[in-house]
Amino acid sequence: ETGVTQSPTHLIKTRGQQVTLRCSSQSGHNTVSWYQQALGQGPQFIFQYYREEENGRGNFPPRFSGLQFPNYSSELNVNALELDDSALYLCASSPTGGTGSTDTQYFGPGTRLTVL
Amino acid sequence: SQQGEEDPQALSIQEGENATMNCSYKTSINNLQWYRQNSGRGLVHLILIRSNEREKHSGRLRVTLDTSKKSSSLLITASRAADTASYFCATDAGSEKLVFGKGTKLTVNP
Repeated sequence: ETGVTQSPTHLIKTRGQQVTLRCSSQSGHNTVSWYQQALGQGPQFIFQYYREEENGRGNFPPRFSGLQFPNYSSELNVNALELDDSALYLCASSPTGGTGSTDTQYFGPGTRLTVL
Repeated sequence: SQQGEEDPQALSIQEGENATMNCSYKTSINNLQWYRQNSGRGLVHLILIRSNEREKHSGRLRVTLDTSKKSSSLLITASRAADTASYFCATDAGSEKLVFGKGTKLTVNP
């Protein structure tokens, strides 16, 4: 158990809809990262938040956005869902950030999103 | 894009045998990390090795890092059925993110 929780566990949406995924980090972890993992692939970095500011972004379009709150919770929002957005979405928190180096990440169990 | 590439893609062994997985990467790194994932669930951190380290141990795990060859290996000794999982290497290249490979799927047969 990493102490990182995600909700919901599973979600089914249709093309064009919007979705919000939630993550609760470990207390004291000031950095949260979000990853997309397609079936049979490794996780792909979406973005990272450090002290409520975006602190790095992967190769994902602007319809992927996020928020981090002072209470160690965060959200991933995806607008205008496409079929290819079907994947496992993972959040990971870390007690270190803003150093230019990424240490151990503590992952949540993920949210399985299916877009029909 | 994936920086790390694990080899082999799949590995099947008997309980008690050793399992070795390899990872190659492309750019200079701060550290390299290995994670385990059971059945499409969350990833569990196994071990982190920094760029100035060559070998690290944790229980039945041994990780080596060769920065001149841009490669790492993960050895699991005396494997158990519970070790069945996918194993990923992830590199930190100093851009505030981890870059994962596609993983090695390990099956340990009882």
